[in-house]
Amino acid sequence: QSVLTQPPSASGTPGQRVTISCSGSSSNIGSDYVCWYQRLPGTAPKLLIYSNNQRPSGVPDRFSGSKSGTSASLAISGLRSEDEAHYYCAAWDDSLSSFLFGGGTELTVL
Amino acid sequence: QLQLQESGPGLVKPSETLSLTCTVSGDSISSTSYYWGWIRQPPGKGLEWIGSIFYSGSAYYNPSLRGRVTISVDTSKNQFSLNLNSVTAADTAVFYCARHYCNSPTCHFDYWGQGTLVTVSS
Repeated sequence: QSVLTQPPSASGTPGQRVTISCSGSSSNIGSDYVCWYQRLPGTAPKLLIYSNNQRPSGVPDRFSGSKSGTSASLAISGLRSEDEAHYYCAAWDDSLSSFLFGGGTELTVL
Repeated sequence: QLQLQESGPGLVKPSETLSLTCTVSGDSISSTSYYWGWIRQPPGKGLEWIGSIFYSGSAYYNPSLRGRVTISVDTSKNQFSLNLNSVTAADTAVFYCARHYCNSPTCHFDYWGQGTLVTVSS
């Protein structure tokens, strides 16, 4: 059971907007920034969002991040088949002195 | 372009020590802005941070693994290494090395190696 809680699965149709949630606590999301990773099948995780809502160079603006209180969300607009992947949220936890990953959400494009 | 490459045995016997090395190219491991870390992913499970190290040798570890894990750095070779002792089948995983930017309140891994599968089995 991960400290950062994500839904195990999400789905959408091409062109649709989907959101993936990440719920934490005051010692992690509530006090530190959130980042998001995309792991395509057979590849290493790729940083999608850092510092809650910043995109690294090369990440399309279809991907956006937000945070409110002890929860964060990743939104993907204009869904494409190549977005099928596992998505992970992550943050530092001040109480555990540990970098935490969420359990991951498997996104299916129908 | 920064690249990281994991290397080491793909098979380790139970109770022995798992040892992996990450070779960094395209950036100096002596950068004062970054840590260098290890993350693993057991088959069918999520990602787990193992620990991270600064070029000076200062390291911090996942409390759940503390006592079994050691991360070291060799700046002359631009490499850092992971040792995980007393392994069991539960330590079977794909192990990734990555560059770790951590400056409160922001913390993230921005560049990752391709990963290497380590199986613990007799």
